[in-house]
Amino acid sequence: ETGVTQTPRHLVMGMTNKKSLKCEQHLGHNAMYWYKQSAKKPLELMFVYSLEERVENNSVPSRFSPECPNSSHLFLHLHTLQPEDSALYLCASSQDSASHSSGANVLTFGAGSRLTVL
Amino acid sequence: AQTVTQSQPEMSVQEAETVTLSCTYDTSESDYYLFWYKQPPSRQMILVIRQEAYKQQNATENRFSVNFQKAAKSFSLKISDSQLGDAAMYFCAYRSLYNNDMRFGAGTRLTVKP
Repeated sequence: ETGVTQTPRHLVMGMTNKKSLKCEQHLGHNAMYWYKQSAKKPLELMFVYSLEERVENNSVPSRFSPECPNSSHLFLHLHTLQPEDSALYLCASSQDSASHSSGANVLTFGAGSRLTVL
Repeated sequence: AQTVTQSQPEMSVQEAETVTLSCTYDTSESDYYLFWYKQPPSRQMILVIRQEAYKQQNATENRFSVNFQKAAKSFSLKISDSQLGDAAMYFCAYRSLYNNDMRFGAGTRLTVKP
């Protein structure tokens, strides 16, 4: 384990379901990320939270809704998803880029949540 | 926006041999960070090595080293004395100095043959 924990590890849901992915980090980081990983494609940055404020939202459909209640927790709420949303969703954390510490720009990843939309 | 390209979807190497994975990127920034991440079959992405663009010296971490060519915007990873445990997906990544945006390539799947 790297210090970033994602649950559930596997999720199967229908197109009309509502579910949430959870990410938790205990590394003292203040920036958290959601990435989507699909086969044979680059990781797609979905959302970035820095100091609990959303700073990046890369044209992600509104059926994905992030929530960052504090610097240690990040959620991705899912509703009315499509089969093409099936992928591995990776959470990561880091120090904010404004920090000039030596590890500021290194992302620590969780193991991912494998999502299948039927 | 910055883009990262890994032109080798798959590579294989004999155990104990050396392999080089290629990465190129596109940016208009002068200062940035570059990374290689490894994703074993267990899926947890872990950092292999990183390079600050303002440093001319190539980064090294034990058997892993990079060849950073800033003018050519090239950042290749060399793995020496390959081991079976090196088998994984390898991702090249670019991070701006000025924001939290990290961009990844599509990855190279490395197979190590015993």
